[in-house]
Amino acid sequence: DAGITQSPRYKITETGRQVTLMCHQTWSHSYMFWYRQDLGHGLRLIYYSAAADITDKGEVPDGYVVSRSKTENFPLTLESATRSQTSVYFCASSETGGGSPLHFGNGTRLTVT
Amino acid sequence: RKEVEQDPGPFNVPEGATVAFNCTYSNSASQSFFWYRQDCRKEPKLLMSVYSSGNEDGRFTAQLNRASQYISLLIRDSKLSDSATYLCVVMSDTPLVFGKGTRLSVIA
Repeated sequence: DAGITQSPRYKITETGRQVTLMCHQTWSHSYMFWYRQDLGHGLRLIYYSAAADITDKGEVPDGYVVSRSKTENFPLTLESATRSQTSVYFCASSETGGGSPLHFGNGTRLTVT
Repeated sequence: RKEVEQDPGPFNVPEGATVAFNCTYSNSASQSFFWYRQDCRKEPKLLMSVYSSGNEDGRFTAQLNRASQYISLLIRDSKLSDSATYLCVVMSDTPLVFGKGTRLSVIA
């Protein structure tokens, strides 16, 4: 089915471990985004990508790494997880960036112990 | 001043009521505006885009006031199923900026 999928849906990891969250979209949208959502903060942008091999920092990029070797995939890696990275992570895509609406994946709930 | 601000609510309204939310934005060069709906523990979903002339989709009406730099969402004849958090989204530069959301509870 066409759409945007995230995996895993739930993840528990320990402090200091490396974790990669996956995001895959089938629309061939140019733009992809990673947000985290925490109580009291709303959705905050971590990184985004305008096209394959082009990525940019968002509001809260520290501690995260992204790559976009293919248009359809945009993985997010926590190089050394910290408790403050416990959150719900949403991946999204849009056709043309800010002028077109975002379509979200169903999220990854990450707990860092 | 934050880039996008919303009243967090909660707004508790009876079924059938009309309720309105406002969202202010700070960047006068903002170009695109949207309202999203988010149910508890789910992903945000596009409710409607907001056009300069205002637009309506069934019971929902969105308006843009560029002079005062706010957008609004009006929900008429509220249903229980309208209970959710409503997120205001503004595009100044890529990427989109989200408000923190307004929580609506429609009560029977």
